[in-house]
Amino acid sequence: GAGVSQTPSNKVTEKGKYVELRCDPISGHTALYWYRQSLGQGPEFLIYFQGTGAADDSGLPNDRFFAVRPEGSVSTLKIQRTERGDSAVYLCASSSPPAGSNEQFFGPGTRLTVL
Amino acid sequence: TQLLEQSPQFLSIQEGENLTVYCNSSSVFSSLQWYRQEPGEGPVLLVTVVTGGEVKKLKRLTFQFGDARKDSSLHITAAQTGDTGLYLCAGDSGGGADGLTFGKGTHLIIQP
Repeated sequence: GAGVSQTPSNKVTEKGKYVELRCDPISGHTALYWYRQSLGQGPEFLIYFQGTGAADDSGLPNDRFFAVRPEGSVSTLKIQRTERGDSAVYLCASSSPPAGSNEQFFGPGTRLTVL
Repeated sequence: TQLLEQSPQFLSIQEGENLTVYCNSSSVFSSLQWYRQEPGEGPVLLVTVVTGGEVKKLKRLTFQFGDARKDSSLHITAAQTGDTGLYLCAGDSGGGADGLTFGKGTHLIIQP
């Protein structure tokens, strides 16, 4: 389909390991967002890319979290030395500004479980 | 820090009833969006409201943006079992392509 895709859909890892989560946005969308959704909560903003650069990374919880978007399309969220508290659904969204109302289109998410 | 408070957190009603859920903040937003999320899926945009006092209708769903652009409501008429899901409001404070601030959501269950 033409929507936002995320891989893997599920990832189980052990505490201390490194993980990479991938997001493939809607073709032509220049803005890409990462959110984290813990159980029973709404999505929490992590980072926003405009093209290849991170326009706002104020939501990243600490320096174990890093994201890249080298060619302005696919993005990878990288988490080092994972902790049990990192367990959540990681959502990616894309949009095509100038949208005025900032309408974002979400992927299905990657469910990360840290044991 | 901008916060969006949604109420009620949980709501279970019978099919055919009407309901209203609320999204409130002390902050002004340039626009506010309502999403619906089903288990195992990402949020799906229902509507965006931009102008204070704006009312938008989507079939049996009516969305209103407060005059001061700090709060919003979603009213569902004659609820159906297919309306079951998590309803999220999200505010955009920047007026451009910024990260959204989400509420915790209202878990809605429509019983047959």
